[in-house]
Amino acid sequence: GAGVSQSPSNKVTEKGKDVELRCDPISGHTALYWYRQSLGQGLEFLIYFQGNSAPDKSGLPSDRFSAERTGGSVSTLTIQRTQQEDSAVYLCASSLAGRSSYNEQFFGPGTRLTVL
Amino acid sequence: DQQVKQNSPSLSVQEGRISILNCDYTNSMFDYFLWYKKYPAEGPTFLISISSIKDKNEDGRFTVFLNKSAKHLSLHIVPSQPGDSAVYFCAASAFGRGSQGNLIFGKGTKLSVKP
Repeated sequence: GAGVSQSPSNKVTEKGKDVELRCDPISGHTALYWYRQSLGQGLEFLIYFQGNSAPDKSGLPSDRFSAERTGGSVSTLTIQRTQQEDSAVYLCASSLAGRSSYNEQFFGPGTRLTVL
Repeated sequence: DQQVKQNSPSLSVQEGRISILNCDYTNSMFDYFLWYKKYPAEGPTFLISISSIKDKNEDGRFTVFLNKSAKHLSLHIVPSQPGDSAVYFCAASAFGRGSQGNLIFGKGTKLSVKP
């Protein structure tokens, strides 16, 4: 399919372990976003990549969270030393160009992370 | 402090009737508002949007109304169909105000349309 894909769809890990979540954006989309949705909450912005610009990391909740985007395409969100409060659905989105009212964000199906 | 609030976690409507989903916001800098629809195990999909220079935007069965003085917007679906059953998220941003333009989402309202 031509949509945003994420892997794995589900991840169960033990507290203290590191996890990596992957996002494949729509081909040709220059902007990529990570959000998370904790139980009973709305989507919370984490990080934004646009082309070769420095990413906007203002939404990352702690220094245990980091993300990379290699070659302007695939992105990996890494959570180190996971905690139970990190349990959430992590959603990736991409858009054709940068943040504006003209660039619809297309979301992937998300990765459900459970930290035991 | 929540900048975008959807105070009704759920709404149940009979097929064929109107569904009205409400959203309130606190940040007067917001100038662009969106509604997303989310089915289980899928990502949110864009439904309809409205700029702050308008008070109404219509797309088929979906209409969004914006009341800037009350900092309130609503999504009307008429007639409602069982396939509309989903979680609806309201989102806002300040795209045109020199901000970073991040979308701020509400917690969502789960709509159930009963046949």
